[in-house]
Amino acid sequence: GENVEQHPSTLSVQEGDSAVIKCTYSDSASNYFPWYKQELGKGPQLIIDIRSNVGEKKDQRIAVTLNKTAKHFSLHITETQPEDSAVYFCAASSNTDKLIFGTGTRLQVFP
Amino acid sequence: KAGVTQTPRYLIKTRGQQVTLSCSPISGHRSVSWYQQTPGQGLQFLFEYFSETQRNKGNFPGRFSGRQFSNSRSEMNVSTLELGDSALYLCASSPSPGTDTQYFGPGTRLTVL
Repeated sequence: GENVEQHPSTLSVQEGDSAVIKCTYSDSASNYFPWYKQELGKGPQLIIDIRSNVGEKKDQRIAVTLNKTAKHFSLHITETQPEDSAVYFCAASSNTDKLIFGTGTRLQVFP
Repeated sequence: KAGVTQTPRYLIKTRGQQVTLSCSPISGHRSVSWYQQTPGQGLQFLFEYFSETQRNKGNFPGRFSGRQFSNSRSEMNVSTLELGDSALYLCASSPSPGTDTQYFGPGTRLTVL
């Protein structure tokens, strides 16, 4: 069935360093890949998304890359700041609103 | 523009009871999806509504149901509550299904005792 694997489950970095989170999807029909950030007590907040006709997308300190052949996509956060500390989720979908989520990565940025 | 709103934010029920949760999408958004979030199972898709019709359903028992009204507001209902139904229930809206970004509300925290 549809599945999205996400690694690592926890990630600790020093402020100013980069953080990379990787996801692999199983459904070859998947064509939309959003990333969400969830802070304690809040709902997931979209931070960046990419569609299958694009290999890379960047928004300031955040970038996402997609390798359709290998069925994996990654989130890159540069110059991390303490306020980047949260749980990050990747997800995949195929022309529906049914998002299949990864298991989440708890990112801690230490000052 | 106001975001997705969900009511109530917190709810405590006992086993066997039923519960109704409400979601108001972003103005102009016509598609509403529901997700269950638990520490053990993560974020799981429940169902999706568009134009008052259920378009897609996740792998949940029939105790979980939903509906959408003509103003795009949606409700989900869980009957005969079980302890395992304790979770954060999240609603997401998008302008139309399938091709648009989904925006999540803050969720309703349901505790079943």
